[in-house]
Amino acid sequence: DTAVSQTPKYLVTQMGNDKSIKCEQNLGHDTMYWYKQDSKKFLKIMFSYNNKELIINETVPNRFSPKSPDKAHLNLHINSLELGDSAVYFCASSQGSRRREETQYFGPGTRLLVL
Amino acid sequence: TQLLEQSPQFLSIQEGENLTVYCNSSSVFSSLQWYRQEPGEGPVLLVTVVTGGEVKKLKRLTFQFGDARKDSSLHITAAQPGDTGLYLCAGARGGSYIPTFGRGTSLIVHP
Repeated sequence: DTAVSQTPKYLVTQMGNDKSIKCEQNLGHDTMYWYKQDSKKFLKIMFSYNNKELIINETVPNRFSPKSPDKAHLNLHINSLELGDSAVYFCASSQGSRRREETQYFGPGTRLLVL
Repeated sequence: TQLLEQSPQFLSIQEGENLTVYCNSSSVFSSLQWYRQEPGEGPVLLVTVVTGGEVKKLKRLTFQFGDARKDSSLHITAAQPGDTGLYLCAGARGGSYIPTFGRGTSLIVHP
């Protein structure tokens, strides 16, 4: 069984379009995250939700809007896509105990290419 | 400015060789984690270290947290092609449990 799943795995779209990426975790975790990994493999946190509430919102354009319908799902909607949005987007989850040894479980990633 | 500097950025070695990857910072971390990311996959946690000077072993992998909790190293003994991947260190500061990632070391082990 897949612990953290994302759809779609690949997304190719035109500049200016609006797209969504879905994420689901079946681990019973309270906290979920979205990360962006650029072409140089730098992994940077974008958002974090704990029990459907936004707790971290890094410096991300407001074209990016996360939505958490329940604690097992965290979707990412992107408006007016730009070329610089091309990257791999990873969803992750963790127990939410807020302990420093907390383990994050990553999904397989969504490869977004904006043309 | 990158909070966590990893070196080397790239490493290409032959099967059976030993290697060490470094993760350095001027900041103190309450915990430091190492992840491995294989092509087309998400990162997978290898280890978490929380105590200065701590050493953890995972089969042929040895992880060390610096005494001052500002740096860490990962040593692989007798590398195998299955060790190929991107090794990422990630540190959490203060009361935060959200880690900041380094840029990674890309390792290729040739058979």
